[in-house]
Amino acid sequence: EAGVAQSPRYKIIEKRQSVAFWCNPISGHATLYWYQQILGQGPKLLIQFQNNGVVDDSQLPKDRFSAERLKGVDSTLKIQPAKLEDSAVYLCASSLGAGYSPLHFGNGTRLTVT
Amino acid sequence: ILNVEQSPQSLHVQEGDSTNFTCSFPSSNFYALHWYRWETAKSPEALFVMTLNGDEKKKGRISATLNTKEGYSYLYIKGSQPEDSATYLCALNSGYSTLTFGKGTMLLVSP
Repeated sequence: EAGVAQSPRYKIIEKRQSVAFWCNPISGHATLYWYQQILGQGPKLLIQFQNNGVVDDSQLPKDRFSAERLKGVDSTLKIQPAKLEDSAVYLCASSLGAGYSPLHFGNGTRLTVT
Repeated sequence: ILNVEQSPQSLHVQEGDSTNFTCSFPSSNFYALHWYRWETAKSPEALFVMTLNGDEKKKGRISATLNTKEGYSYLYIKGSQPEDSATYLCALNSGYSTLTFGKGTMLLVSP
């Protein structure tokens, strides 16, 4: 099966600029996740979708981050405006949705904010 | 926010050594415990999903055990190889399919 596709792979922007990441999950996976992984820390959940509805966005900085999942398939994560502390790897993952289903991750986007 | 702890933070072993890591989590509201391997420049890969107290799973030279009553899981690697070098992440699911990850254990295996 095709894996989770993410783009871009790398992005360098200046602070206060905007950036968007795209994710295409595995076909048939109802649940889609965006994680932020800052160097030296574990991945932190930003937002979790079940089909096109939001299950958990409690740790999403909503003043600057937004995400949507169009038609319950592809998803985009946007940061506007970016801050230095947003430098991280942004991982998209999908799963069948049950708590015991493993997550399938994309290769991630490494964002550097200068 | 749940607290998932992993130890050690990093580990450097020689090829052929066996090693193990620990993942500690709050034992209340347990639903499942996941283990992932994350190699540099690749995507995290699922190793195990464990749900039952006393569960033991094995995949080649890697195995894992689970104790939900005391809130810990061990990951063992027998006869480490350089290709085992990676960051090993555990993640707790306490329901609703949301996972809380630990910081990971970074393993380096030298030839």
